[in-house]
Amino acid sequence: SYELTQPPSVSVSPGQTASITCSGDKLGDKYTCWYQQKAGQSPVIVIYQDTKRPSGIPERFSGSNSGNTATLIITGTQALDEADYYCQAWDSTSPQVFGGGTKLTVL
Amino acid sequence: EEQLVDSGGGLVQPGGSLRLSCAASGFTFRSYWMNWVRQAPGKGLEWVANIKEDGTETYYVDSVKGRFTISRDNTKNSLYLQMNSLSNEDTAVYYCVRARWELRAFDIWGQGTMVTVSS
Repeated sequence: SYELTQPPSVSVSPGQTASITCSGDKLGDKYTCWYQQKAGQSPVIVIYQDTKRPSGIPERFSGSNSGNTATLIITGTQALDEADYYCQAWDSTSPQVFGGGTKLTVL
Repeated sequence: EEQLVDSGGGLVQPGGSLRLSCAASGFTFRSYWMNWVRQAPGKGLEWVANIKEDGTETYYVDSVKGRFTISRDNTKNSLYLQMNSLSNEDTAVYYCVRARWELRAFDIWGQGTMVTVSS
């Protein structure tokens, strides 16, 4: 079955840029999306179709996807961005696959 | 407001059964594929099952095949998950989730309902 790999944790200082990677075989050939999950809350989509932001998501969130790696980038990271982030490789056939999640800490 | 409200979770003994429900509002429920996604305590997200708009197609993760059944009632704007032969490994928060094919993403999540399998 298809697998996605994320780093368990990423740390960033306030105002700096955070990059969270998601790796999978030929991931660039699939659409990738990213979800933010704050403690005790349901996931919220922050990036879809590799690079697009839903309405209401701040411009500091961006994404890329090429080769075997997709990346979520948060520029000017704020304390309120501290959360778990999950990538998902969209598949037109089931099952849908999530990465293991990355805990973003804003120090 | 587009919303999903999950319910039906609780404590159940190993080998027992439970039926989860999800009530949709604020959108045309019958027009969307729907999913169940679960999250074990302290763990990541795991897709469990999905169902086509008209209920004619369903798919499951291997670990629940033959034990779980996803269904929907478009007249009641409701999604269900019948869970049988539950084991400790099924302990998780279960989320009802809407799929948006044009976005290639899950765009609306319920608040989740906790299922605890324990003796």
